[in-house]
Order: sequence, then structure tokens, then C-alpha cells
Amino acid sequence: DGGITQSPKYLFRKEGQNVTLSCEQNLNHDAMYWYRQDPGQGLRLIYYSQIVNDFQKGDIAEGYSVSREKKESFPLTVTSAQKNPTAFYLCASSNEGVTGELFFGEGSRLTVL
Amino acid sequence: RKEVEQDPGPFNVPEGATVAFNCTYSNSASQSFFWYRQDCRKEPKLLMSVYSSGNEDGRFTAQLNRASQYISLLIRDSKLSDSATYLCVVDNQFYFGTGTSLTVIP
Repeated sequence: DGGITQSPKYLFRKEGQNVTLSCEQNLNHDAMYWYRQDPGQGLRLIYYSQIVNDFQKGDIAEGYSVSREKKESFPLTVTSAQKNPTAFYLCASSNEGVTGELFFGEGSRLTVL
Repeated sequence: RKEVEQDPGPFNVPEGATVAFNCTYSNSASQSFFWYRQDCRKEPKLLMSVYSSGNEDGRFTAQLNRASQYISLLIRDSKLSDSATYLCVVDNQFYFGTGTSLTVIP
């Protein structure tokens, strides 16, 4: 089945450690996105990529980094520079210029101890 | 000012009731509008796109008012399974509202 797979679903890390969240899609979508959701809040855009080897910062990119070496993959690294990394992270993809529908992964819940 | 604003609720309604949510947006040049549904601790899923002429899908009706810059979602004959958070999205993935929480009570 086609879809988006995020891993891990749950992750605990100590302060000062970097962590990388995986996002893989087999929908053949060009565009991929990373969002962060905090309790009682909407989704905020961290980074997005519309094509391989290219990505742009969203509203809250500080303390995060991404890469897009393959169409199927868009990993997110939460660095130690991110001051408040505990959150629910969602990866999504879409076919740009078609319906605009976003397809989401099941999310990764990161807790910093 | 936020790009997209929603009343967070919560809305608690009895089964069978009709409930409506509004979402305002700040950019008059916005082109695409969507309603997503998000269940507790799950990922959002597309409920429906919002077209200029308005559109209906079963018990759900979405409308766009460009003059006043808002979109609306109407749910008729509410079911227990409609309990969720409803997110409005403007401009193709970039701007999400904070969501409106709906609980349908037996």
C-alpha cells in the first residue's frame, strides 16, 4: 500500500543530544513537509521540500535541519540548539499543483528528558 | 495577527445536532482552502476541500466567503464518531488553524 512512514513513533532523548526522525513515502510525491504540533495548538511548518536536493525553511526552522537526497525520503534532525524540542512531529507529502491534499505519516512523539 | 484563526471550542453537542465552525484567514490572495479532521494523538486527514461555490459531502457542507475572508464547516445530524478536532488549512499546506474541538454527546 502507498503511504508515508515515520519512525520512530516514540522517542526519548536527553538534553543536548541530536536526534533524527525518519520520513519515507512511496506515493511518488514531489513535495514533502515537516510540521510540529504542541498540545492545544495547530501545526507549524518547520521545513518543506518541493524537489530533490532543495528545501526551504518554514516558520520555525531554528534548531532543526533536513536533507532531501532522494525523492522518497525527507529526514528531520532535531539538534541540541532547539530549545523546546518536546512535541509531536508530523511529516506529510503532496502532489504539488494538483489537489493540494496533504498525506500525513502517523507522527513521531519526541520527549526530551 | 495569525494567518488563520479558529475558535478552539470545545463544542459539546448532543447526537443529532447541527454544528458549525468558522475559520478566518488574513491573506486576501489565498487560493486554496481545506478542512482536516484530527483524532486524538493521530495524524490529520483530509475531510474536504472548500470550493468557491461551496460543496457538500453527505452530512458535511463547506463554504467559502471571500468578501469576509472566512471558511465554514457545517455538520448536520452529528454522530458520536464525529468527535474530533477540525483543522482549517489555507494556502496549500502552509497555514493551519489551531483546530476546533468537537465532542458529540450521547
